[in-house]
Amino acid sequence: EVQLVESGGGLVQPGGSLRLSCAASGFSFSTFWMHWVRRAPGKGLEWVSRIKYDGTTTNYADSVKGRFTVSRDNAKNTMYLQMNSLRADDTAVYYCGKDLHILGVDHWGQGTLVTVSS
Amino acid sequence: QSVLTQPPSVSAAPGQRVTISCSGGSSNIRSYDVSWYQHLPGRAPKLVIYDDNKRPSGIPDRFSGSKSGTSATLGITGLQTGDEADYYCGTWDSGLSAGVFGGGTKLTVL
Repeated sequence: EVQLVESGGGLVQPGGSLRLSCAASGFSFSTFWMHWVRRAPGKGLEWVSRIKYDGTTTNYADSVKGRFTVSRDNAKNTMYLQMNSLRADDTAVYYCGKDLHILGVDHWGQGTLVTVSS
Repeated sequence: QSVLTQPPSVSAAPGQRVTISCSGGSSNIRSYDVSWYQHLPGRAPKLVIYDDNKRPSGIPDRFSGSKSGTSATLGITGLQTGDEADYYCGTWDSGLSAGVFGGGTKLTVL
């Protein structure tokens, strides 16, 4: 059974940093692209970032480019999202997902809440 | 302002059919396959359509997808109260080199 478990969310002050983790199991993690997607309170889904199965290619939404960094450790079956210079509008539930094909994400984690507030 | 445009809300009675549109452009919908998601806040999104018109295993054939040019459509027949949720279209955008979602459509089953 495919499982994705996010962790690392919490309350952080504006300008602070957090690192989210997404632990994967039940599939061949090293052969799939992976995504981060978020949903802010009262807003819709927003794509954040993706990383190629071997980690050699990454992409970011303009809203996080230069502040967030996605990475993965295929030996640990884990993907990460390093979030720096956090702003209030980064407050959201962050989901990791396994890519089936072109943003067809067929498995998701349960989400982790990031709150940026003073 | 989302790159992909969806109606904010649609509604229909139980048992009826509803369609949700998703309008984009040449750099996204025309060029790449479209996926559709069902989402309730606080829960994980659920993929209901991928590659424009394919259903993942476990998704009933009441859900269908189509695409023409720069627009895509999600159809749901035999509406049930359990279908009430927010629905999103999504795809890749070559101009942005980023994934893009529509703004979401709230489905109400009256």
